[in-house]
Amino acid sequence: TQLLEQSPQFLSIQEGENLTVYCNSSSVFSSLQWYRQEPGEGPVLLVTVVTGGEVKKLKRLTFQFGDARKDSSLHITAAQPGDTGLYLCAGVGGGFKTIFGAGTRLFVKA
Amino acid sequence: DTAVSQTPKYLVTQMGNDKSIKCEQNLGHDTMYWYKQDSKKFLKIMFSYNNKELIINETVPNRFSPKSPDKAHLNLHINSLELGDSAVYFCASRHTYGEQYFGPGTRLTVT
Repeated sequence: TQLLEQSPQFLSIQEGENLTVYCNSSSVFSSLQWYRQEPGEGPVLLVTVVTGGEVKKLKRLTFQFGDARKDSSLHITAAQPGDTGLYLCAGVGGGFKTIFGAGTRLFVKA
Repeated sequence: DTAVSQTPKYLVTQMGNDKSIKCEQNLGHDTMYWYKQDSKKFLKIMFSYNNKELIINETVPNRFSPKSPDKAHLNLHINSLELGDSAVYFCASRHTYGEQYFGPGTRLTVT
C-alpha cells in the first residue's frame, strides 16, 4: 500500500517567517502534487512536479521533488496571513489513483 | 460557471436512512472520483469512473454505490447510513493524467 507521510501536521507561525512542509513516502510516484484547501471548499491544485530533482516556484512558494521521486517539500518564504490553510501533498502512481497525505494545517498570525 | 458542482452542500440525516449525493462537471473530463475527508482532514479515494466505467473501487462498504449515468455525472448513493459515515464527501474530475478539479464538498452528518 502506498502511503504519504506529511510533516508537520500543524504549524502556527508569525507573519514574515519562513516554513517548510515535508512529504515522504517509501514508494516511487510518477508525479507529486501539492494542493491547498480552505475551510468549506475543495482542494485546489498548486503545482505538479514530475522529474526527480525538479524545483518549481510559485511566487513565494518553492516546491521540490526528491531525486528518487519518493519525497517532496514545500517551502514558503515570508509567510502571510493569506497563506493560512490546509496543504496536501498527493502522489500520482500508475493508473488513475492519487494518494493523499494527511495534510499540514498552516496558520499565519498577523 | 462552476466547474465541478455537488448537491447538496449539507446533509443531516438519521442512522439507517438512505441518501444520495449528486455531482456534475462541465469540464468535458472523462474521469470522475469520489473522495471521503474525515474529521482529521484525511482525504481518501473511494471510487473512480473513467468514461462511465468503474475503474477504482477501494475498500468501501457495499452500502456505498456509485452510479455514472454519463461522463459528466457521478452520483453516490448510501444505504443504511451509520454514524461513522459522517464526513465531507468530495467529487473530483480530470482528463486522464491531467489536473484534478474538486467540487465544494458535501458535509454529511449522521445522527
